Amino acid sequence: DAGITQSPRYKITETGRQVTLMCHQTWSHSYMFWYRQDLGHGLRLIYYSAAADITDKGEVPDGYVVSRSKTENFPLTLESATRSQTSVYFCASSDGRDSPLHFGNGTRLTVT
Amino acid sequence: GENVEQHPSTLSVQEGDSAVIKCTYSDSASNYFPWYKQELGKRPQLIIDIRSNVGEKKDQRIAVTLNKTAKHFSLHITETQPEDSAVYFCAARTGGSYIPTFGRGTSLIVHP
Repeated sequence: DAGITQSPRYKITETGRQVTLMCHQTWSHSYMFWYRQDLGHGLRLIYYSAAADITDKGEVPDGYVVSRSKTENFPLTLESATRSQTSVYFCASSDGRDSPLHFGNGTRLTVT
Repeated sequence: GENVEQHPSTLSVQEGDSAVIKCTYSDSASNYFPWYKQELGKRPQLIIDIRSNVGEKKDQRIAVTLNKTAKHFSLHITETQPEDSAVYFCAARTGGSYIPTFGRGTSLIVHP
């Protein structure tokens, strides 16, 4: 779906650097999510948001920070990247409790 | 919270055979059950969903069945084709939450 975009698609960074992954959706969906996907672990929820200025921790929030000053944007920041944060990151949005998630194309992050 | 178990983790079939993936959930208040397909290197995408007031839903070669008493739901793919090869994720969402709980995924391999 072109309505949710992530950038960059690929990122290589060094241990200790700060990295921000961007997520933008054009549907005005209230709910937004960040997941990481690693082999053998499926989709793990990092942070989620029910509306602008409302965010909460998911299953694996340590080392990550989010903000949501506008409904359409939900950036994810790695404050000091570690090798264990090498992963594929997916942003997703939804317009309601009984509605599916729409995923972005993902960002493949490598921390060296 | 909700717990979703998905089986099998890997499923290998011959082209033309049927494939069945089963998920069990723990919270009897769950009322929305989507299935996502993720092709290699791509994002998860919704393929079918079912709500708790329905026992079965079909869309061409794909069907989902729900047994609320036993708290399980299944994805059925008939006449499988090589392009059905992907990882399939089930999810469940309780009535009181907008956060879906995902299964660990099933890697379906369809051999030509």
